[in-house]
Amino acid sequence: QQQVRQSPQSLTVWEGETAILNCSYEDSTFDYFPWYHQFPGESPALLIAIRPVSNKKEDGRFTIFFNKREKKFSLHIADSQPGDSATYFCAASANNYAQGLTFGLGTRVSVFP
Amino acid sequence: NAGVIQTPRHKVTGKGQEATLWCEPISGHSAVFWYRQTIVQGLEFLTYFRNQAPIDDSGMPKERFSAQMPNQSHSTLKIQSTQPQDSAVYLCASSSFQNTLYFGAGTRLSVL
Repeated sequence: QQQVRQSPQSLTVWEGETAILNCSYEDSTFDYFPWYHQFPGESPALLIAIRPVSNKKEDGRFTIFFNKREKKFSLHIADSQPGDSATYFCAASANNYAQGLTFGLGTRVSVFP
Repeated sequence: NAGVIQTPRHKVTGKGQEATLWCEPISGHSAVFWYRQTIVQGLEFLTYFRNQAPIDDSGMPKERFSAQMPNQSHSTLKIQSTQPQDSAVYLCASSSFQNTLYFGAGTRLSVL
């Protein structure tokens, strides 16, 4: 049973467009929602994270939108650049890490110039 | 700060052999996590320690996998009687109280 569902599996956008990645979760005890990115040959690294006290978190071109009622959150990459091409993973954890972080299956983003 | 160090980077074992993977967390980090990454299953949580104590091992296959953290400077993941389906990249991560996971480069395990 996949506790964190992620879509789409892959996404292609042109340089300058906004890429939108979606995640949903089932466990209402989840209270921390990070996004990690992974470049080919490298390990995942934290990109941005949000807690349910907020419904939006921005960091430069990256924005998380969070909908607690629908148990959904999304990552928007504005003004996409070829260097943003990577696999992006959403994740969730509960109770301040009483449990391990659960990842989605990832979205492979390709940005073409 | 060298980051999370994992050894070996690559390990090849024959079916039925044992594999031990090592992880040295970032100094001062109180939590250590083990994940397994495959194309099909993505990043699968295996187990995690906080202050050397096992907190959650809900992702560990019960029969052949075990993990230990004998001191704050290293953790091991042992797989007994390895099977081809154990082939994956095993990632160790450490974290401080701020919750960000810092991953090591991983150990690529290939079971022939």
